[in-house]
Amino acid sequence: GAVVSQHPSWVICKSGTSVKIECRSLDFQATTMFWYRQFPKQSLMLMATSNEGSKATYEQGVEKDKFLINHASLTLSTLTVTSAHPEDSSFYICSARDGHFYEQYFGPGTRLTVT
Amino acid sequence: GQNIDQPTEMTATEGAIVQINCTYQTSGFNGLFWYQQHAGEAPTFLSYNVLDGLEEKGRFSSFLSRSKGYSYLLLKELQMKDSASYLCAAMDSNYQLIWGAGTKLIIKP
Repeated sequence: GAVVSQHPSWVICKSGTSVKIECRSLDFQATTMFWYRQFPKQSLMLMATSNEGSKATYEQGVEKDKFLINHASLTLSTLTVTSAHPEDSSFYICSARDGHFYEQYFGPGTRLTVT
Repeated sequence: GQNIDQPTEMTATEGAIVQINCTYQTSGFNGLFWYQQHAGEAPTFLSYNVLDGLEEKGRFSSFLSRSKGYSYLLLKELQMKDSASYLCAAMDSNYQLIWGAGTKLIIKP
């Protein structure tokens, strides 16, 4: 149990375009979802936390107009990278938490390359 | 401020035992997590400690001392597949995970 999927697993896009990444909890209801970014050989960096039906809470330094997060249902959250630039190239990972437990279950990640 | 410290890199031999230490300072405390992350993959859950003491799970054990703000992950009978980064994360009073930078574990034959 406790499976989180992410789609796509990798994407290459041109500078200036937008990319949407989906995160789904497959067998549980995710009251809270988290979006992380990880650069090579660095640790996870939390970008934002979202609770179903409410606006996401962004970490300091993360542009909310550039990284749009929607958590419309208990099983789906999306991250849209708007007007992507090469410096946005990174490994984006979502995680989800069932409100009853503290453990976060991670999706497999999405590798974004902006050319 | 909130902070997690763990060694950057460790090397061990196949079949041996290794202990990865983690110290934490958080605003409130709701438990300590260990995750394993292989290169290019997302983290996978290893353990969760909220009470003092040792939790054993197969070849992996995790220890917590809340008074010392200290935890360790113990890996026994090391296998080559255990080569990965091990992430320590403490949950603060807002149930937010504060992540360490990770310890890269290199296993040599």
